[in-house]
Amino acid sequence: DIVLTQSPALAVSLGQRATISCRASESVRSSMHWYQQKSGQQPKLLIYGASNLASGVPARFSGSGSGTDFTFTIDPVEADDIATYYCQQSRNDPLTFGSGTKLEIK
Amino acid sequence: QVQLKESGPGLVQPSQTLSLTCTVSGFSLMDYSVHWVRQPPGKGLEWMGRMKYDGDTYYNSALKSRLSISRDTSKSQVFLKMNSLQTEDTAIYYCTRGTDYYVMDAWGQGASVTVSS
Repeated sequence: DIVLTQSPALAVSLGQRATISCRASESVRSSMHWYQQKSGQQPKLLIYGASNLASGVPARFSGSGSGTDFTFTIDPVEADDIATYYCQQSRNDPLTFGSGTKLEIK
Repeated sequence: QVQLKESGPGLVQPSQTLSLTCTVSGFSLMDYSVHWVRQPPGKGLEWMGRMKYDGDTYYNSALKSRLSISRDTSKSQVFLKMNSLQTEDTAIYYCTRGTDYYVMDAWGQGASVTVSS
């Protein structure tokens, strides 16, 4: 199985940039996607194919990377962005998720 | 408008079988895959398996021996059955719509399942 490694938490000031990383245990090419999960809600797709913005998602959100190293960025961070962010790979079965990065406001 | 809704019992006894239904609207089960993902309390997301648009299924090997996914296209429903439940199966169970590249672009609200006697 492909293991995705994320840092557990990140604290950022409002209006600043938040950068979340996801490292895959083997290459997933560009088959990496990012989801936002707010407390008590279902996850929501933000980025697919490493860098493509999902429909209706603000341009403050972006993604980059390929192979094993991926980055998800929020710039600028707003109060409504408090959530846990998960990466997910679809290169190989079983599909796997990272353990999530909790975004906190300083 | 794409919608998915999970339904099923909130409480299941240990060793019993869990049965959940995902009812979809706004798209056809013959055009999109449906995945099941679960989330134990306070923990991360675990992909369980999928029903592909062509009727093919694929399961996470960690659950394969206990899990079955089926569908009724006429009712726009996908079913999950998992047997031999234990307390560690307590979780929120989500059904999601999957695109060609297994991107989960729409999620249900989730069904909370507690395994307890």
